[in-house]
Amino acid sequence: GAGVSQSPSNKVTEKGKDVELRCDPISGHTALYWYRQSLGQGLEFLIYFQGNSAPDKSGLPSDRFSAERTGGSVSTLTIQRTQQEDSAVYLCASSPTADSSYNEQFFGPGTRLTVL
Amino acid sequence: DAKTTQPPSMDCAEGRAANLPCNHSTISGNEYVYWYRQIHSQGPQYIIHGLKNNETNEMASLIITEDRKSSTLILPHATLRDTAVYYCIVRVNAGGTSYGKLTFGQGTILTVHP
Repeated sequence: GAGVSQSPSNKVTEKGKDVELRCDPISGHTALYWYRQSLGQGLEFLIYFQGNSAPDKSGLPSDRFSAERTGGSVSTLTIQRTQQEDSAVYLCASSPTADSSYNEQFFGPGTRLTVL
Repeated sequence: DAKTTQPPSMDCAEGRAANLPCNHSTISGNEYVYWYRQIHSQGPQYIIHGLKNNETNEMASLIITEDRKSSTLILPHATLRDTAVYYCIVRVNAGGTSYGKLTFGQGTILTVHP
C-alpha cells in the first residue's frame, strides 16, 4: 500500500515568508510525528499527534512553528516568518498507534526547505 | 529517554557480518532498544527492536546484554545497499505524553565496501 507522503518535496522561500508543509500518513495510522534534520545535525523531534490532538509539542523550536492535524489524517506544519536557520529537511512519520509495545514509525521522504 | 553511545563510523566488507555496537548504560527497565537506519537522502527506516531478549527478523539480529547496558545490531551478510547511518535509540513504549517520539543521536555511519 501507499506509504507516508509529503509535499512539496522541495521548497525554496525568501526569509520572512510563511511556508506550509504537508504530510499524508499511512491510512489508519493514528499517531503522526514531525522531525527535522538540519545539515550536519541529527534528527530532531518537533511534535507528535495522537489523532487530532498533540500531547507533545516540546520540540517546536519557537512560536513561529505550529502544526495541526484534521480528520485524524493529514497534517500541516506551518513556519511563519521563516529564517535561514529554518533550512532543513522536514520529515513526517506515522505509526498505527503510539500506545503499544510495538511502535514502528514509517517515515516519509521529507520536504527540503531552503530559506534564502 | 536514556542516552546512547555509538561509534561514529564503521567499515564492513560486502558479504561479511556487520556488528554495530551501542551503549545505553542508563537504560530504564521499561525502555526498549530500537534500531533505525537512514540511507542517503531517504527517511529513516525501522530495523528491529527489543526489550531484553535477543530478537531476529528478516533484516537483522539484535543482541542485548543481560544487564541491558549495551546491545549489538548484526547484519549477517552486508550488501552495498546496507551503507547507511544506523541509529540506536532507547525509549519507553507506553505511558506519559512523550513516549511516542524517537530521540536520534549521531548514529554510526556504516560503509559496506566491495
